[in-house]
Amino acid sequence: TQLLEQSPQFLSIQEGENLTVYCNSSSVFSSLQWYRQEPGEGPVLLVTVVTGGEVKKLKRLTFQFGDARKDSSLHITAAQPGDTGLYLCAGANSGNTGKLIFGQGTTLQVKP
Amino acid sequence: DAGITQSPRYKITETGRQVTLMCHQTWSHSYMFWYRQDLGHGLRLIYYSAAADITDKGEVPDGYVVSRSKTENFPLTLESATRSQTSVYFCASIEGTGTEAFFGQGTRLTVV
Repeated sequence: TQLLEQSPQFLSIQEGENLTVYCNSSSVFSSLQWYRQEPGEGPVLLVTVVTGGEVKKLKRLTFQFGDARKDSSLHITAAQPGDTGLYLCAGANSGNTGKLIFGQGTTLQVKP
Repeated sequence: DAGITQSPRYKITETGRQVTLMCHQTWSHSYMFWYRQDLGHGLRLIYYSAAADITDKGEVPDGYVVSRSKTENFPLTLESATRSQTSVYFCASIEGTGTEAFFGQGTRLTVV
């Protein structure tokens, strides 16, 4: 069974601080995605990383895929209250079945 | 309108009753998924489907049944609802392995 462990599960910080969220597994994934979810809505894709060691940037968000394609991180620089939400990592099964599994999520609160 | 829709948005049912949650997508995506979301557990995969008439169990399939007679529909049935199945249920679809997952707005199910 493939599992994705996210840490931390909860994070409360002040505006302007930096933070990193981790997504770890003992399994290899063909790709890894990060989603953000607002209350009452479904998750929305932020980024997909495919190549081991890949780094992608989305404004103040930096995503990295581990060299072995087993882990990923999301770093937010100078967090803003608008970054508040639930962040989820998701791994695509390397067996090409389409199966997509999610981590437990990280709830981020950024205080003004 | 193009997209993925779930119905109903809210449902209250009694223990032991059968209830069906509906999911419809207009893109003809091959893959569809059902997840449940509970505090502290992120999104847990219940069942998924790679194509019409092809379904497979996810992490937490017990007590649920799915079918996929048409590509665009993927209903989820709780055969005999239990209080532990009180949750928010999300349906999602993807075009191919590792591509963006599109989610419905969720169904909040309460079993009393």
